[in-house]
Amino acid sequence: QKEVEQNSGPLSVPEGAIASLNCTYSDRGSQSFFWYRQYSGKSPELIMFIYSNGDKEDGRFTAQLNKASQYVSLLIRDSQPSDSATYLCAVPFSSNTGKLIFGQGTTLQVKP
Amino acid sequence: ETGVTQTPRHLVMGMTNKKSLKCEQHLGHNAMYWYKQSAKKPLELMFVYSLEERVENNSVPSRFSPECPNSSHLFLHLHTLQPEDSALYLCASSRTTQVGSEQYFGPGTRLTVT
Repeated sequence: QKEVEQNSGPLSVPEGAIASLNCTYSDRGSQSFFWYRQYSGKSPELIMFIYSNGDKEDGRFTAQLNKASQYVSLLIRDSQPSDSATYLCAVPFSSNTGKLIFGQGTTLQVKP
Repeated sequence: ETGVTQTPRHLVMGMTNKKSLKCEQHLGHNAMYWYKQSAKKPLELMFVYSLEERVENNSVPSRFSPECPNSSHLFLHLHTLQPEDSALYLCASSRTTQVGSEQYFGPGTRLTVT
């Protein structure tokens, strides 16, 4: 059974700091990863997709993938209170089925 | 309308009722999904449709019955549900079911079974 693990938190950081969210996965063959943000009472919103090893940057967000260690991270620079949400990591189960395995999510609290 | 829409947004039903959830996507995508999100549990995939064909059925009880009449519409028919079925039901769509095809979610239906 493929698994995706995230620390449920809450992770609390002060405004302006870097928030680091981690996700580990069990299937060494996994090739791509998604990060979603979910505000309380809302649906998940896609914020990042990463396929290759290394870093991918999009604005204040950086996704880091380390396939050898089987983890993917999301860094949020200059954290804002509006970044307070649950961040979900998702891994495709296999090719061509569209099935994603989600972690339980990490709740981030950014304190003003 | 833009993106993925779902109706109703809230639903309360008794265990003997029959109801349906509706999802519509305005993105021109070919794949649609039903997910269940319960408190303290990861998002669980229920069904995947690609070009109106069901390609994934994730061991979902038969009291949940999906229907995909075309690539823009997806329904989830509910009957004789249990209280543990109370959850947020999310619809999503993607261009294809290929790895890397981004899934976009609708706002969800908050279902309460009494």
